[in-house]
Amino acid sequence: DTGVSQNPRHKITKRGQNVTFRCDPISEHNRLYWYRQTLGQGPEFLTYFQNEAQLEKSRLLSDRFSAERPKGSFSTLEIQRTEQGDSAMYLCASSPRDRGIGNEQFFGPGTRLTVL
Amino acid sequence: DQQVKQNSPSLSVQEGRISILNCDYTNSMFDYFLWYKKYPAEGPTFLISISSIKDKNEDGRFTVFLNKSAKHLSLHIVPSQPGDSAVYFCAASVGANNLFFGTGTRLTVIP
Repeated sequence: DTGVSQNPRHKITKRGQNVTFRCDPISEHNRLYWYRQTLGQGPEFLTYFQNEAQLEKSRLLSDRFSAERPKGSFSTLEIQRTEQGDSAMYLCASSPRDRGIGNEQFFGPGTRLTVL
Repeated sequence: DQQVKQNSPSLSVQEGRISILNCDYTNSMFDYFLWYKKYPAEGPTFLISISSIKDKNEDGRFTVFLNKSAKHLSLHIVPSQPGDSAVYFCAASVGANNLFFGTGTRLTVIP
């Protein structure tokens, strides 16, 4: 399977704990995006990387959230001191395009976070 | 503010008929538009896209139409099949930047 993979698929944690999610993009895709989706809503942008550089962060990404993409390959998203409002599906997407026409992004299966 | 809107939360269509899903946007800077299909507990799957320099793009049973003056796009599925039943999201972007999504339309194709 050469698609985007995300681990874990499900995470249940207690309020105040830290969690970390991993995303492995499609090989050689230089752009990697993180989105969050809550019930009844479309995915909302959190942050994206071009290779190892984090190019943009949404205002949704509070200081409790941090994302990295060392060496421009896989990426991690960490949430510190989780709150119940962080419960959502966290989606990762990758794209081969960084210029020109086209912005097809290919999504992984997501990590479902539940904060108790 | 919601820059991409899907005003119909649900749509039911008979198998074999045409399904038309609609989407409106407010940001005139958007230059690329996409449709995604999503099943429960899975990530969105890319279906079809269109750039702002075109007004129609076709791929098999799926056709996307773009009306820039009205800031409106639509996805036509013909003929509709039961396997098309899913939630469909419209998305838009400026260049190769992040996507802005609508809230989705749940399509049910009745056998």
